[in-house]
Amino acid sequence: DAKTTQPTSMDCAEGRAANLPCNHSTISGNEYVYWYRQIHSQGPQYIIHGLKNNETNEMASLIITEDRKSSTLILPHATLRDTAVYYCIAHSGGSNYKLTFGKGTLLTVNP
Amino acid sequence: DGGITQSPKYLFRKEGQNVTLSCEQNLNHDAMYWYRQDPGQGLRLIYYSQIVNDFQKGDIAEGYSVSREKKESFPLTVTSAQKNPTAFYLCASSKLAGGNTGELFFGEGSRLTVL
Repeated sequence: DAKTTQPTSMDCAEGRAANLPCNHSTISGNEYVYWYRQIHSQGPQYIIHGLKNNETNEMASLIITEDRKSSTLILPHATLRDTAVYYCIAHSGGSNYKLTFGKGTLLTVNP
Repeated sequence: DGGITQSPKYLFRKEGQNVTLSCEQNLNHDAMYWYRQDPGQGLRLIYYSQIVNDFQKGDIAEGYSVSREKKESFPLTVTSAQKNPTAFYLCASSKLAGGNTGELFFGEGSRLTVL
């Protein structure tokens, strides 16, 4: 899987949009971009994934640049419960069953 | 409700003792995984299994052992050979086909402390 680079930490005001960036400049054509989050002392939770097109679900939106070298996870109206470590992962799927979790971005939502 | 159950949530052991962490899933998933997490670090893969009676080493398998006798169960044994076993252990499962195969479902974790 391609290496991903994320900022170590970010802050966001409650009620505002949180935009979490991820660089994956060596991503290959068959690799998806996955996002997970981990609230302190809990197991990670899947958020969203995409290949080329932007994606949206009830939790977040994923914007992938046209060259696929970077992406942004958007939490449209952050709440205090969104404070967590967010992981961006490039993963090809198929017969590759190993997901590699880096250190992620600690998002702190402030009141 | 479907999900993954890990037990115990907290475990203390003395040096030199083996300990087994339980992981059970009722999601009918084929694949199961064990990850280790140290403070401030990401997750590192210990072992994974795609099918009953088969499993593969991950990135840090030394000092650990697993079994997969049933589809629902994937216990992890931390042996006395593991030099630094104090950590947060996470079990996960996933489908292998028919959709979003990169979506892992995680348990709540087991925190092991070696005294």
